Amino acid sequence: GAGVSQSPSNKVTEKGKDVELRCDPISGHTALYWYRQRLGQGLEFLIYFQGNSAPDKSGLPSDRFSAERTGESVSTLTIQRTQQEDSAVYLCASSTVPLQGAVEQYFGPGTRLTVT
Amino acid sequence: SQQGEEDPQALSIQEGENATMNCSYKTSINNLQWYRQNSGRGLVHLILIRSNEREKHSGRLRVTLDTSKKSSSLLITASRAADTASYFCAPSSSYKLIFGSGTRLLVRP
Repeated sequence: GAGVSQSPSNKVTEKGKDVELRCDPISGHTALYWYRQRLGQGLEFLIYFQGNSAPDKSGLPSDRFSAERTGESVSTLTIQRTQQEDSAVYLCASSTVPLQGAVEQYFGPGTRLTVT
Repeated sequence: SQQGEEDPQALSIQEGENATMNCSYKTSINNLQWYRQNSGRGLVHLILIRSNEREKHSGRLRVTLDTSKKSSSLLITASRAADTASYFCAPSSSYKLIFGSGTRLLVRP
């Protein structure tokens, strides 16, 4: 079946502009995650959605970042008034319900965001 | 922090050789996962080992976990050029994966 898809694959934007990144999870996966990866570094957790529960937004770096998810489908990550330090690859992942954290996460190809 | 720290940072081996990379962490965990990333994207799950397991195999991969030492190792046997990638460990007690900087493996043909 189809994996996690993300769009756009690349986005170049000017400092101060807003951007919206999209993630389509694997059908049937109730959990959805957003991560950020700066060049040469590991992943930073941003936000987690699970079903109809309140999302875990503890990783969002500032109030310029927000994310939404419609039911158990598409999610969008919005970055307002982008800054150069927002430049990174934004990765989305989905999974079945994580039990005690023990679940494989399936990652999308990411969106490479460049803020000029 | 649950972040794992991989060691070495970089590893270069000849095709056919074995590659071993290590992961250390600081907090109690329920499980530890290893992921591979090619060309800066495409994170792929390799293996998950639970805290009550000591060793797990998957194809050419062998993972060990020593919770008393808070460490894990990933062994890739009979390496291939296609194994060239960055490898990340993710120790976890929740749904959050927190990766370190990874081990960059280069397998020379």
